[in-house]
Amino acid sequence: ELKVEQNPLFLSMQEGKNYTIYCNYSTTSDRLYWYRQDPGKSLESLFVLLSNGAVKQEGRLMASLDTKARLSTLHITAAVHDLSATYFCAVDAGQGAQKLVFGQGTRLTINP
Amino acid sequence: GAGVSQSPSNKVTEKGKDVELRCDPISGHTALYWYRQSLGQGLEFLIYFQGNSAPDKSGLPSDRFSAERTGGSVSTLTIQRTQQEDSAVYLCASSYIDRYNSPLHFGNGTRLTVT
Repeated sequence: ELKVEQNPLFLSMQEGKNYTIYCNYSTTSDRLYWYRQDPGKSLESLFVLLSNGAVKQEGRLMASLDTKARLSTLHITAAVHDLSATYFCAVDAGQGAQKLVFGQGTRLTINP
Repeated sequence: GAGVSQSPSNKVTEKGKDVELRCDPISGHTALYWYRQSLGQGLEFLIYFQGNSAPDKSGLPSDRFSAERTGGSVSTLTIQRTQQEDSAVYLCASSYIDRYNSPLHFGNGTRLTVT
């Protein structure tokens, strides 16, 4: 059974600082997705990572995938307040559809 | 363009009643998913529809849950004899078929409260 674990689950940081959220998963997959969720809102796609070594960047966020280590990272550079949200990684269970197994989510709070 | 639309946005029901939740996917998206988000269980896959194929129901938690998709578009998730543990946000998502580089587009969800 595929399990996906994120850490940390809660992260409070200062504006301008850098930090990394980690996503580990238990079985082989080369399809991993990052989503953002604002309070009371739905999930918004951030990144799609489809191969070992994939790296995607958008603004202050960068995501990478190491399929051999079964690890993805979401790196935040010079954080700003509007990046405060909950971030989820999700791994495709690989059964012919995007039957995603989600991590627990990382609640990120960025303080001025 | 229009996103995934779900209704109602909130539903409060008494234990034992049946509820129907509706999802209208993005036009042109042939794949439709239902997920559930709850405090205790996080985000869980429920069911998947792809075109005219038989749905993948492997995530449905009990036989009280069922879903259908009419005309390859609108979907309805039905929960019979609701229980308090059914309280959650039910999210619908759609995507293009067989395009793993196309992420799921989620609706705003239906918050179900069973009293």
